Amino acid sequence: QLQLQESGPGLVKPSETLSLTCTVSGGSIRSGSYYWGWIRQPPGKGLEWIGSISYGGSTYYNPSLKSRVTISVDTSKNQFYLELSSVTAADTAVYYCARRDYYGSGQSRYFDYWGQGTLVTVSS
Amino acid sequence: EIVLTQSPVTLSLSPGERATLSCRASQSVGSYLAWYQQKPGQAPRLLIYDASNRATGIPARFSGSGSGTDFTLTISSLEPEDFAVYYCQQRTNWPLTFGGGTKVEIK
Repeated sequence: QLQLQESGPGLVKPSETLSLTCTVSGGSIRSGSYYWGWIRQPPGKGLEWIGSISYGGSTYYNPSLKSRVTISVDTSKNQFYLELSSVTAADTAVYYCARRDYYGSGQSRYFDYWGQGTLVTVSS
Repeated sequence: EIVLTQSPVTLSLSPGERATLSCRASQSVGSYLAWYQQKPGQAPRLLIYDASNRATGIPARFSGSGSGTDFTLTISSLEPEDFAVYYCQQRTNWPLTFGGGTKVEIK
């Protein structure tokens, strides 16, 4: 069974860079035609897609965050990463990593596997 | 960017009642729309994909319909575990977008 697990600091200071890791287990990040993505959810609010990366390194970012976001992948560690620079209190959220397929049809074309989420608070 | 508008924001119903949730897209998404359920402290769970197909393990009381810009999620008879927040999501265009959510609460 595929599992995703987010990790990283739970507290980041304003203007600094938020860095998170998603570790994939139960399957290879290189297998299939998958996008590995980040989604966030401010407390009490809805979901916002941040961006996605393929194992080959192709990236897609939400234009609203593009200037501050970098998503990368390390296939040897079966991990992918999120960096969000110049954070403010508005970046306080639960950050999820998730998987979706970019070929074919069916449920895997949507976010069918999610991590449990990690709360990141931006505060001095 | 395709904007998804969900209504109502909150739906107050009793167990056993029928729930009807709406998601409207700012432009056509074809049938490329999904519904997710989220309970407090949990990640979203995929319920419906491509507008009308139940994901693996999802009970038959959940059904989806619609195409183009108007979509509906129906829960035929609410079970206690169905009280949660529901989100729609489109995959037609980048950026991927979610609706603002509908909370189904116990009346």
